[in-house]
Amino acid sequence: SQTIHQWPATLVQPVGSPLSLECTVEGTSNPNLYWYRQAAGRGLQLLFYSVGIGQISSEVPQNLSASRPQDRQFILSSKKLLLSDSGFYLCAWSVFSSYNEQFFGPGTRLTVL
Amino acid sequence: SQQGEEDPQALSIQEGENATMNCSYKTSINNLQWYRQNSGRGLVHLILIRSNEREKHSGRLRVTLDTSKKSSSLLITASRAADTASYFCATGQKNTGNQFYFGTGTSLTVIP
Repeated sequence: SQTIHQWPATLVQPVGSPLSLECTVEGTSNPNLYWYRQAAGRGLQLLFYSVGIGQISSEVPQNLSASRPQDRQFILSSKKLLLSDSGFYLCAWSVFSSYNEQFFGPGTRLTVL
Repeated sequence: SQQGEEDPQALSIQEGENATMNCSYKTSINNLQWYRQNSGRGLVHLILIRSNEREKHSGRLRVTLDTSKKSSSLLITASRAADTASYFCATGQKNTGNQFYFGTGTSLTVIP
């Protein structure tokens, strides 16, 4: 069966520090991968998606970047965090693009102080 | 924005009552999905309805889709306290093919 992992679960970082969040998927090959951010009490904002190794599409200009060094690994990064980067970050995967459902990881709660 | 909008933003009902949530979207879609999120957790997929379908059932869930009005509704029948969560609709985009766009969510509270 497929599983998706995200870590860390919670993170508190000072403004200006770097960020690296990791997401890995098991039990499937060549998944579409997604990073979302959810502000408190709000919906999900699509940040990045990837249809294959090294292929990253960005939805909104921002202080973040994403990379996919391996088929089932998706990394969200920042060189210098801003206060506005605080939020709940969710990784998800799906098969065959948006014609099928997404499966979400447990999320990372990021607080930038 | 390509995000959808859920309505109402918050809903509070008694256990055993039915809960209805609505979703409106803006672009052409190939499917619409409903997800549930318990506080501080990831989202769980509930049901998917394709653009050529009008109604779909899964257990106590009933979803309708009206592509002419660009809207969908989720009905939860005979609600339980355990149904307390936030519910989101998400659209699979027709033209782009790879993105999902989520609505703003409905927070449902079921009072025992």
